[in-house]
Amino acid sequence: QQPVQSPQAVILREGEDAVINCSSSKALYSVHWYRQKHGEAPVFLMILLKGGEQKGHEKISASFNEKKQQSSLYLTASQLSYSGTYFCGTEGGGADGLTFGKGTHLIIQP
Amino acid sequence: GAVVSQHPSRVICKSGTSVKIECRSLDFQATTMFWYRQFPKQSLMLMATSNEGSKATYEQGVEKDKFLINHASLTLSTLTVTSAHPEDSSFYICSPAGGDEQYFGPGTRLTVT
Repeated sequence: QQPVQSPQAVILREGEDAVINCSSSKALYSVHWYRQKHGEAPVFLMILLKGGEQKGHEKISASFNEKKQQSSLYLTASQLSYSGTYFCGTEGGGADGLTFGKGTHLIIQP
Repeated sequence: GAVVSQHPSRVICKSGTSVKIECRSLDFQATTMFWYRQFPKQSLMLMATSNEGSKATYEQGVEKDKFLINHASLTLSTLTVTSAHPEDSSFYICSPAGGDEQYFGPGTRLTVT
């Protein structure tokens, strides 16, 4: 089942913060976050496995709620290089692999 | 958004046989196709990138003669796993891209016995 990402797109000025959400109607095994730049393959950012987990670093971090149905990606003091499309991929824990959301387009302006 | 399909969704084959996986973008022209594999509980691993009408570019460690990629049209790309072995068992995902758009296919679970 495809996770729901929001917002669909966001435009920020350099230095502003952004939050991208990814939610599922069922509890998940894991959430993966990827960033894709125009014309390039998506790049893996991080994976979250535990309910209540928060990981990442000061600028880019993510959380996974206790129920393991919702994850958020936090981009703090955004830089121009953060522009791109962010995808969350979720695993349900069965034999199937990742299912991706539709992506969130992030545009950072000077 | 575009609809991307992969066929088959699951396949079990015997060791030594070849398997073809199709990726179709039904209402989207994919000028570039990325093929990934995902081992259980791991992140995606990029296998190769192909541009429509051109030969695919393979990532280091991926055998081009074993994983044959054809991207003959803007709506269809195929990945053929030749002489499959149990270690090729994995989840294969296509990701078509074009313009500012990128999508992911639903994936194909390959099990080689």
